[in-house]
Amino acid sequence: GQNIDQPTEMTATEGAIVQINCTYQTSGFNGLFWYQQHAGEAPTFLSYNVLDGLEEKGRFSSFLSRSKGYSYLLLKELQMKDSASYLCATTGGFKTIFGAGTRLFVKA
Amino acid sequence: DVKVTQSSRYLVKRTGEKVFLECVQDMDHENMFWYRQDPGLGLRLIYFSYDVKMKEKGDIPEGYSVSREKKERFSLILESASTNQTSMYLCASSFDGGHNSPLHFGNGTRLTVT
Repeated sequence: GQNIDQPTEMTATEGAIVQINCTYQTSGFNGLFWYQQHAGEAPTFLSYNVLDGLEEKGRFSSFLSRSKGYSYLLLKELQMKDSASYLCATTGGFKTIFGAGTRLFVKA
Repeated sequence: DVKVTQSSRYLVKRTGEKVFLECVQDMDHENMFWYRQDPGLGLRLIYFSYDVKMKEKGDIPEGYSVSREKKERFSLILESASTNQTSMYLCASSFDGGHNSPLHFGNGTRLTVT
């Protein structure tokens, strides 16, 4: 079967660092994406991991361990505008399967 | 920038009506997808297409069909709308089926079936 788990909600303080975890069990795994979705808007691409290790992109980094079926998204120097849902998604074949998303609340 | 356009932002339909949701992308992408998004369930794949006139069932195809007569356009059809199809519908496209290329989403159509 296919299963992607991530926490439902997280709260963090402006300026802090937050790590959003994602575990997955999917068939035909090709790679792992993270998307950001602000309320009422479409998801937008943040990062992609296909090999084990850390990918850094500005304030955002994403990590993948294929053997453990585990990824995390790391957000540094949190800003209020980072309040959004973060979607973990795996690809296999032509399909992209999403987790339910983690709602991140950034407080002042 | 890739643009994925969904024809309606909000739709209200009655139970039993036939509903068409239209999606157009302007980047010559091979692959197009229809998802629905519900609270607590995330995005679930309804149908996808990797070429003109080709279609594949996703995880929840029941009650839906699709049409892809032209490369840029992918339509989702609800043959007989039911209240459990009230949802946010998101269309997406990608260059290579999401293997390495991200999905580009439209702004969504919020469908209410009464």
